[in-house]
Amino acid sequence: GEDVEQSLFLSVREGDSSVINCTYTDSSSTYLYWYKQEPGAGLQLLTYIFSNMDMKQDQRLTVLLNKKDKHLSLRIADTQTGDSAIYFCAESTGSGGYQKVTFGTGTKLQVIP
Amino acid sequence: DSGVTQTPKHLITATGQRVTLRCSPRSGDLSVYWYQQSLDQGLQFLIHYYNGEERAKGNILERFSAQQFPDLHSELNLSSLELGDSALYFCASSAGTGHEQFFGPGTRLTVL
Repeated sequence: GEDVEQSLFLSVREGDSSVINCTYTDSSSTYLYWYKQEPGAGLQLLTYIFSNMDMKQDQRLTVLLNKKDKHLSLRIADTQTGDSAIYFCAESTGSGGYQKVTFGTGTKLQVIP
Repeated sequence: DSGVTQTPKHLITATGQRVTLRCSPRSGDLSVYWYQQSLDQGLQFLIHYYNGEERAKGNILERFSAQQFPDLHSELNLSSLELGDSALYFCASSAGTGHEQFFGPGTRLTVL
């Protein structure tokens, strides 16, 4: 079955890089996603990567995918206080015309000024 | 703004009561998902509807039910409410199944 795991908490200083990690179990994933949830708000899609890619960069965000180890990471360069939020990784899996998205437990990022 | 709307924003009710949460998906999206987010259990997938039909069930209690109407809006019905049902309930929509999901702002339910 699908299982997506993340560490619960990460604390970094403003200006440093943040790396949020995620592991998943289903090797048949097609897309992997990163969502951001600010306090009191819904989840917002940040970026995604197709499973045949190793890396994707989007401004301050870099997504790295290691399919062999089933490991996904999100690197935020020059972390700002506005980046403080909960970050969820998610994978899309399935076959036979039905795709399912499974979310991780979320990592709370605290940015210290 | 994701384009997904949820009403009401806040709901306060008593144990044993029944409530209905409403969700309107983004224009053109056929899939609607419901999630429960509580402090101790994280984000829990409840149920998924695609074009009016139930497609997948997650950790949804028997006291909870949902439906998706012909105009594609969805309602989540919670009955015989318990204190532990207090949580944020999110609706998300996507174009198909397995695509990126767009989340609404959530309904905060407080059961007293």
